[in-house]
Amino acid sequence: SYELTQPPSVSVSPGQTARITCSGDALPKQYAYWYQQKPGQAPVLVIYKDSERPSGIPERFSGSSSGTTVTLTISGVQAEDEADYYCQSADSSGTYKVFGGGTKLTVL
Amino acid sequence: QVQLQESGPGLVKPSETLSLTCAVSGYSISSGYYWGWIRQPPGKGLEWIGSIYHSGSTYYNPSLKSRVTISVDTSKNQFSLKLSSVTAADTAVYYCARQDYDSSGSWFDPWGQGTLVTVSS
Repeated sequence: SYELTQPPSVSVSPGQTARITCSGDALPKQYAYWYQQKPGQAPVLVIYKDSERPSGIPERFSGSSSGTTVTLTISGVQAEDEADYYCQSADSSGTYKVFGGGTKLTVL
Repeated sequence: QVQLQESGPGLVKPSETLSLTCAVSGYSISSGYYWGWIRQPPGKGLEWIGSIYHSGSTYYNPSLKSRVTISVDTSKNQFSLKLSSVTAADTAVYYCARQDYDSSGSWFDPWGQGTLVTVSS
């Protein structure tokens, strides 16, 4: 079955830049989407189609893609950004949806 | 704005069928979109279960396909999940979500608040 790979954890100090990667063989063909999940809450979409930002999401959230890896970048990290982040995409056919294992962002 | 709310039993016995419903408000299901179910075992990551189009066509995660049925009731503006022959491994928070899409892919937004289902005798 198709898998997306994320680092389990990333740590940054406030004001620094956090980069969370997601790797998968089908990513050159399929867009990636990113969700933020805070404890006890439902996930919230923060990036769609690799780099588009939904309305209401702060400009410090951005996304990029290069080959089999997509990256979520959070510039000027704030304490409120501490959360789990999940990438989501689809297999090469586009039919079956898959989530990465999640990355816990810690703001030191 | 669109809101989704899951409901159903919080405790299911092993080997029985888990049944959940997602009530949608602020948008008519029959107007379009796919609608999906996603689950998250305690302390673990997200797993897509399956999705249904407003017309009723479905597609499921291959790893769960033999046990999953998703249906839609446009008259009640809700869609439902049934998962049969459950085991402790099916214990999770179950989320419903609207699945937006275009020719390039699909994504989940917004999500319901989630409901915890525990499988235990």
